[in-house]
Amino acid sequence: DAKTTQPPSMDCAEGRAANLPCNHSTISGNEYVYWYRQIHSQGPQYIIHGLKNNETNEMASLIITEDRKSSTLILPHATLRDTAVYYCIVRAGIGNEKLTFGTGTRLTIIP
Amino acid sequence: DTEVTQTPKHLVMGMTNKKSLKCEQHMGHRAMYWYKQKAKKPPELMFVYSYEKLSINESVPSRFSPECPNSSLLNLHLHALQPEDSALYLCASSQLLAGGLNEQFFGPGTRLTVL
Repeated sequence: DAKTTQPPSMDCAEGRAANLPCNHSTISGNEYVYWYRQIHSQGPQYIIHGLKNNETNEMASLIITEDRKSSTLILPHATLRDTAVYYCIVRAGIGNEKLTFGTGTRLTIIP
Repeated sequence: DTEVTQTPKHLVMGMTNKKSLKCEQHMGHRAMYWYKQKAKKPPELMFVYSYEKLSINESVPSRFSPECPNSSLLNLHLHALQPEDSALYLCASSQLLAGGLNEQFFGPGTRLTVL
């Protein structure tokens, strides 16, 4: 699976949109971008995934650049409960059950 | 029920002890996973079971012995552990759909301390 690069930490004001970048310049055509988060002392939680189109669900939006070398996770109205480590993972689809976590971004929501 | 449960929440054991971690899910998932997470590090995959058969072993030392007695249960048997094995042990499960894009559901983990 391709490697990802994320900033180690970010702050965001409560109520504002949190934009978390991820670089995956070596991604190949059959690899998807996944985002998970881990709130302190809990197990990781799936957020969203995408291949090349932008995706949105009830938790977040995922914007993938046209060349697929980078993506941004957007939490539209951050709350204190969104304080967590966010992991961007690139993963092949079919027949691959492995999740390889990188170092992630520690997002702190500021009241 | 969309929950993965793990017991115990905390475990302290000596290097000569034998203990087991348990994981259970009732979502009908046919893949189950063990991850190890050291403090301030990301989770690292240890084992994957697909349809109750071991499909991935990430070169884990034999003092960790996984077992999948049925499609809902996953155990991790521990024997002769070292202090450096102290970590959070996470269990996860997922479907095994044809597309392969299967979201993993994680339990809260067992925090293990080896003295």
